Amino acid sequence: SAVISQKPSRDICQRGTSLTIQCQVDSQVTMMFWYRQQPGQSLTLIATANQGSEATYESGFVIDKFPISRPNLTFSTLTVSNMSPEDSSIYLCSVSSGPTEAFFGQGTRLTVV
Amino acid sequence: GENVEQHPSTLSVQEGDSAVIKCTYSDSASNYFPWYKQELGKGPQLIIDIRSNVGEKKDQRIAVTLNKTAKHFSLHITETQPEDSAVYFCAASNEWGGGADGLTFGKGTHLIIQP
Repeated sequence: SAVISQKPSRDICQRGTSLTIQCQVDSQVTMMFWYRQQPGQSLTLIATANQGSEATYESGFVIDKFPISRPNLTFSTLTVSNMSPEDSSIYLCSVSSGPTEAFFGQGTRLTVV
Repeated sequence: GENVEQHPSTLSVQEGDSAVIKCTYSDSASNYFPWYKQELGKGPQLIIDIRSNVGEKKDQRIAVTLNKTAKHFSLHITETQPEDSAVYFCAASNEWGGGADGLTFGKGTHLIIQP
């Protein structure tokens, strides 16, 4: 199974600022995804992080707000830009490789004040 | 796109009793249905999954059933224990592991095991 390290695990940020979340996997993976989990809610897919090309965003999420990088097969970053209190959520990195299950990191708990 | 409905939102059972959580999906192309357990402050962990070519799968106290015709699947936990208390999410995808499109999740069930 893949071991996923997400940093930071939590942060409290001022509105209007940006936060970059890192996701590091202990092995090469095919797919990397970013999900958002609002307080007490389910997981919603933000985007698929594509290695060497632009991320694929789901409806309701845009690159200007959530820029994503994936420079190689083990690392990705998600930036939450120009934050507002509505961005307070848990952000989760998920990975999978071919016919295997999807693994999740522990998440980054973001509070915007 | 896919839509997954999950019920109930909260389920309280006595320790030792069984718990059943139900999900329905909308996209007939979905063929992979995982269940995740999320404990407080942690990321979701896969507990069991099923593909559409089987109707039931068991792993010790946990089982999942799938009715592809009716587009619903259920999680069954028998002989519940305090450590089963958590939030459980069902999900659906048209590919194992979420494929290229990720997973669509239900809203979650908060399972409470009463001692």
